[in-house]
Amino acid sequence: QVQLVESGGGLVKPGGSLRLSCTASGFSIMDYYMSWVRQAPGKGLEWLSFINSGGRTIHYADSVRGRFSISRDNAKNSLFLQMNSLRDEDTAIYYCVRDNYMLFDSSDIWGQGTMVTVSS
Amino acid sequence: VLMTQTPLSLSVTPGQPASISCKSSESLLHRDGKTYLDWYVQKPGRSPQLLFYTLTSRFSGVPDKFSVSGSVTDFTLKISRVEAEDVGVYYCLQRLHLPYTFGPGTTVDI
Repeated sequence: QVQLVESGGGLVKPGGSLRLSCTASGFSIMDYYMSWVRQAPGKGLEWLSFINSGGRTIHYADSVRGRFSISRDNAKNSLFLQMNSLRDEDTAIYYCVRDNYMLFDSSDIWGQGTMVTVSS
Repeated sequence: VLMTQTPLSLSVTPGQPASISCKSSESLLHRDGKTYLDWYVQKPGRSPQLLFYTLTSRFSGVPDKFSVSGSVTDFTLKISRVEAEDVGVYYCLQRLHLPYTFGPGTTVDI
């Protein structure tokens, strides 16, 4: 079964750090771009970052650039998001997403999400 | 790129049609001829799921009661006959200009 499972969310104080992980099953992530998308409570979707299959091309949303870092370990079939200098407004569900090259890199597989709460 | 959607909320009688407009502040037409506009739906309590990609390509399993149209900066998603299973928030997403941006979402309920 093709799926993505995120982990690593939790409660963290403002200014703190957290590392999210996403493990894929049913396919090899090495063939795909991968992304992170988040959703603040009761709000819409916000695209955060993508990383190409080799890990050399990376882009970020302005809201997280310089604080968040996306990476991948193709051998472990995993995607990561290192989040530093966390702010209250980073509180959200974080989704790991597969961008399918066969669909012009549209996001066809989404994880169930992991909740990050930034609060003192 | 700013994405806007109208309406932001839509209440539909079962069996009736629904239409959602999405507009982008810049052209989403790439020189390769593709328009990089996707549609997603997020059903209550679920992760988002892909409906259409590159403007008009229907994702696997999406019923043909859903249709899309538009070009360049103006796009429309239509549901010919809304059913209870179609309740959710519909988002457009532009993937031509970095950073990618979603529309604010349109809530469809019965």
